[in-house]
Amino acid sequence: SAVISQKPSRDICQRGTSLTIQCQVDSQVTMMFWYRQQPGQSLTLIATANQGSEATYESGFVIDKFPISRPNLTFSTLTVSNMSPEDSSIYLCSVLPGGPYNEQFFGPGTRLTVL
Amino acid sequence: QKEVEQDPGPLSVPEGAIVSLNCTYSNSAFQYFMWYRQYSRKGPELLMYTYSSGNKEDGRFTAQVDKSSKYISLFIRDSQPSDSATYLCAMTLSGGYQKVTFGIGTKLQVIP
Repeated sequence: SAVISQKPSRDICQRGTSLTIQCQVDSQVTMMFWYRQQPGQSLTLIATANQGSEATYESGFVIDKFPISRPNLTFSTLTVSNMSPEDSSIYLCSVLPGGPYNEQFFGPGTRLTVL
Repeated sequence: QKEVEQDPGPLSVPEGAIVSLNCTYSNSAFQYFMWYRQYSRKGPELLMYTYSSGNKEDGRFTAQVDKSSKYISLFIRDSQPSDSATYLCAMTLSGGYQKVTFGIGTKLQVIP
């Protein structure tokens, strides 16, 4: 299993600013993921962040808007840049420690409101 | 058409009721099926994981997969107020790590 913490847990930001979300895992993991969860929509993968390589972004998400860092095997950050109200969402970090069921473990999420 | 369809609810049942949660999917290549439970202000946690068609039971929970109909279900017996949460179905292709496709989630409330 894996225990994941995220900071901040919530924030209210002004339009045009940027917010960096931190994800810390209690064990070393190769695969980390960033998801977005918006009201009325399914959990959506933003990007996969593997240590030692560039993040891989899903269709509809770009590095300039959501830059990701993965400096080591227990930590990652996601920045939401030049925010607009449409970026208001819950952002979740997830890891895949490995195991028989390919189980992903999720952090508690960061609740972002953009005014 | 969405790859995974799930009724968002909310679904409200009395304590002790049998709950049935369902998802349909369009991609016949999906091979692994999961149910996640998400409490308010928490991240999703894996509840059940199945591969083949048929039933898998774990305590009060039964996961059912019908690949021919592209339909999966989660049954909760003797539902408890602590079962009140959002239940997300999820599925992946086979072969190593594959991206997980989630349903929208069904919000369940079990009333004491």
